[in-house]
Amino acid sequence: QKEVEQDPGPLSVPEGAIVSLNCTYSNSAFQYFMWYRQYSRKGPELLMYTYSSGNKEDGRFTAQVDKSSKYISLFIRDSQPSDSATYLCAMKEDFNKFYFGSGTKLNVKP
Amino acid sequence: GAGVSQTPSNKVTEKGKYVELRCDPISGHTALYWYRQSLGQGPEFLIYFQGTGAADDSGLPNDRFFAVRPEGSVSTLKIQRTERGDSAVYLCASSLIRDGGELFFGEGSRLTVL
Repeated sequence: QKEVEQDPGPLSVPEGAIVSLNCTYSNSAFQYFMWYRQYSRKGPELLMYTYSSGNKEDGRFTAQVDKSSKYISLFIRDSQPSDSATYLCAMKEDFNKFYFGSGTKLNVKP
Repeated sequence: GAGVSQTPSNKVTEKGKYVELRCDPISGHTALYWYRQSLGQGPEFLIYFQGTGAADDSGLPNDRFFAVRPEGSVSTLKIQRTERGDSAVYLCASSLIRDGGELFFGEGSRLTVL
């Protein structure tokens, strides 16, 4: 079993839709949770970073962490064609070894 | 430069050859990571440097893979006797050790082993 599980998609939505992306994990020692966005042939870039359970909002993006269920989500409101990319969840314990999900490919149609 | 720089951006080699991939991190970032990303997969951890030393090399798949960071800045990932299964994008990332979450990635070196 992988440390982090993520549905690969692809996920196709119309412009303006609300998008929900999810990851589950098995290691209860994970404390830091991140979402990265990766455009084709580019390196991942950090979107959201959370530490505790609960919600964190940044513009159209909301990250949600439920440590009791070992489940994290990223919501994108009013999705735009420019949001079309692969979204990677990542998490780590205290020390600096990051574990990534396999990524969900999102396509937002104009 | 402002970001993490990786060279070469593309490398095509033949099975059995030796390759070196270079990473120039953001100035002042003490932590440096190498990841490998295969098509349709997330980045897979290879090795992490704190300063000049490898703090965790548990992700290196076998002894054909080796990485150095002799002066605590630029790092080189070395692959001996390349195999077709080594074909992937090799990503380098750096971070400030005090900043727990943000990895700054380069654009990667795409390795193709024929």
